[in-house]
Amino acid sequence: EIVLTQSPATLSLSPGERATLSCRASQSVFSYLAWYQQKPGQAPRLLIYDASNRATGIPARFSGSGSGTDFTLTISSLEPEDFAVYYCQQRSNWPFTFGPGTKVDIK
Amino acid sequence: EVQLLESGGGLVQPGGSLRLSCAASGFTFSTYAMSWVRQAPGKGLEWVSAISGSGGSTYYAASVKGRFTISRDNSENTLYLQMNTLRAEDTAVYYCAKGAVYCGGDCFDYWGQGTLVTVSS
Repeated sequence: EIVLTQSPATLSLSPGERATLSCRASQSVFSYLAWYQQKPGQAPRLLIYDASNRATGIPARFSGSGSGTDFTLTISSLEPEDFAVYYCQQRSNWPFTFGPGTKVDIK
Repeated sequence: EVQLLESGGGLVQPGGSLRLSCAASGFTFSTYAMSWVRQAPGKGLEWVSAISGSGGSTYYAASVKGRFTISRDNSENTLYLQMNTLRAEDTAVYYCAKGAVYCGGDCFDYWGQGTLVTVSS
């Protein structure tokens, strides 16, 4: 099973600041990595698929990069609605796995 | 508009069984792979099981293999998860999720609102 590690566990930032979230895989997942956003009491929302492609309707301030074992989700300028938990997910190997999440909270 | 509506959750004793359903609408159900993803209270996401559009291929997490069975009825646009021999650690909100075409069905572009399964005596 591929293990995904996310860092930091919590990121405390102010609106307008840049957020950089990391996801590391225990073995190469090529570019088969997705990012999701989840707010309290809501289902997750797909942001990025295959490492760097924004899903339908996702604002341009969200971008993804990386390949192999190291990936980054960047939010260029945090909006109030962006404070949430972010998860990465690999689809390279069964079983699919998620990272433990990074919480972006308001400083 | 894509909608996924889960049902069937509730309180069950350890060792018991439960069947979850997910009613889908707003898309050609039989064309898409579907998955179940769960989230224990206050914890992260865990992928549980997936099924191909035809239902001919199924996949499971090691934690549920042999106890859970995923299935679908494409004539009724409904996804199922039969859960047997339930354990306390199966307590979670269970989401059904639609596979996104742009990642071969292996990432999830629509999710239901979730149904809570509580395993406790």
